[in-house]
Amino acid sequence: SYELTQPPSVSGSPGQTARITCSGDALPKQLVYWYQKKPGQAPVVIYKDTERPSGIPERISASSSGTTATLTISELQAEDEADYYCQSADSSGLYPVFGGGTKLTVL
Amino acid sequence: EVQLVESGGGLVKPGGSLRLSCTVSGLTFRHAWMSWVRQVPGKGLEWVGRIRSKTEGGTSDYGTPVKGRFTISRDDSKSTLYLEMNSLKSEDTGVYYCTREDGYDYFEYWGQGSLVTVSS
Repeated sequence: SYELTQPPSVSGSPGQTARITCSGDALPKQLVYWYQKKPGQAPVVIYKDTERPSGIPERISASSSGTTATLTISELQAEDEADYYCQSADSSGLYPVFGGGTKLTVL
Repeated sequence: EVQLVESGGGLVKPGGSLRLSCTVSGLTFRHAWMSWVRQVPGKGLEWVGRIRSKTEGGTSDYGTPVKGRFTISRDDSKSTLYLEMNSLKSEDTGVYYCTREDGYDYFEYWGQGSLVTVSS
């Protein structure tokens, strides 16, 4: 079955920049979405392909090149500590797939 | 304000059955594609399955781990989504989220989740 690969963990100090990658063979053909999930809360979509939803700070950005998509969080703040998931679809486009998730720790 | 409220979770023995419900408000439910996504303890998010709007066929798709055991249905008159789970296994334990899917794209609105525990 199709998989999206994320690093299990990423960390950074307040004010620094964190980058979370998501790799998958079908990414050149499929859109990528990013979610933030905090314990006990539902996931929140924070990037839809190239679009940042209203209310999401500008210091959060996303890009994609070839088989790798990247979520970049600048000026890290304590509130950014959460799990981050990428989501795309398999090569058919019919079946959604989530990455394994990356735990972002703000030191 | 869009609200999705799940109910029906609980403890069930392996091999047992359970039905989750999700009541939706704040959006035109009959036009919505709806999905269930789960989070298994200590693991990530996993798409369970979807049901299309009736105007687009009302058909369902399922992820491989649940195909043949789970059934998604909807009652547009009640703005309610259902997940019927049969032949439950311990690996089905997790928090089940009801979501509105933006047609083959992303999951825009989420409920708060309903915990299902499969254990003897």
